[in-house]
Amino acid sequence: DIQMTQSPSSLSASIGDKVTITCRASQSIKNYLNWYQQKPGQAPKLLIYAAVSLQSEVPSRFSGGGSGTDFTLSITGLQPDDFATYYCQQTYSTPDMYTFGQGTKLEIK
Amino acid sequence: QLQFLESGPGLVKPAETLSLTCTVSLDSISGTSYYWAWIRQPPGKGLEWIGNIHHTESTYYNPSLKSRVTISIDTSKKQFSLRLRSVTAADTAIYFCARVRVFMIPSIDFWGQGLPVIVSS
Repeated sequence: DIQMTQSPSSLSASIGDKVTITCRASQSIKNYLNWYQQKPGQAPKLLIYAAVSLQSEVPSRFSGGGSGTDFTLSITGLQPDDFATYYCQQTYSTPDMYTFGQGTKLEIK
Repeated sequence: QLQFLESGPGLVKPAETLSLTCTVSLDSISGTSYYWAWIRQPPGKGLEWIGNIHHTESTYYNPSLKSRVTISIDTSKKQFSLRLRSVTAADTAIYFCARVRVFMIPSIDFWGQGLPVIVSS
C-alpha cells in the first residue's frame, strides 16, 4: 500500500500570508497527486490535480508542486475563505486504494 | 448542473447491512471518462476510500473492507449503490458518493454532499 503523510497536521496563519503544506508518498507516485479542500460540514473540493494543474474555477493563489514522492500545496495571499482542512490523495495505485493523507487543518491566527 | 442525491437510512443496527444509493443528475453515467466512487469520513477524522465502479461494472474495493463491501451500478436509473455488511460502530461515518474523472490522472472532480450514518442499537 502507498502511504501518504502530510505535514504539518495543523497550521496557524494570518490573512495575507503565504503557507505551504507538504505531502510525502511512501514510494514514487510520479505526478498522480491531487489536493482537496474541505470546510466544516461540506464535501471536499478538488483544488489541484496531477500535482500542478489548477482545477477549473479555483483561484490562482493556489498552486501545487512536486513529483515522485514529495509534493507541496501553496496558498499565497491567504483569504478568510481559505481556512479549512486540506487533503492530498494519490491515484497512482490500482483503483482499489486511492489513499488520502491525514489532512492539514489551516486555522486563522 | 451536476447533482448527486444520496439516499439511505441514517441509523443502522450493529451486524446489519448498510445500504446507500447515489442518484446522478446527468443524461447518462455510461461514459468512459468517469467512474463512480464511495468515500467515507468518520466523525472528526480523515477520508477513507471505500471503492469504485465503472459503467462496465468493473469494481475496485479497499482491501480492508473488501470482504464486506459491494458496489453496484444501474445505468438505466443513473444510480450507483453501496452495501456494507456486518457493520459495527467503527463504520459510523459520513458517506460520500463521488465522480472520479480519469482525464490526465484520476481525480475526484465532483462529490455528493455526504450522508451521515450512525451504527448503533
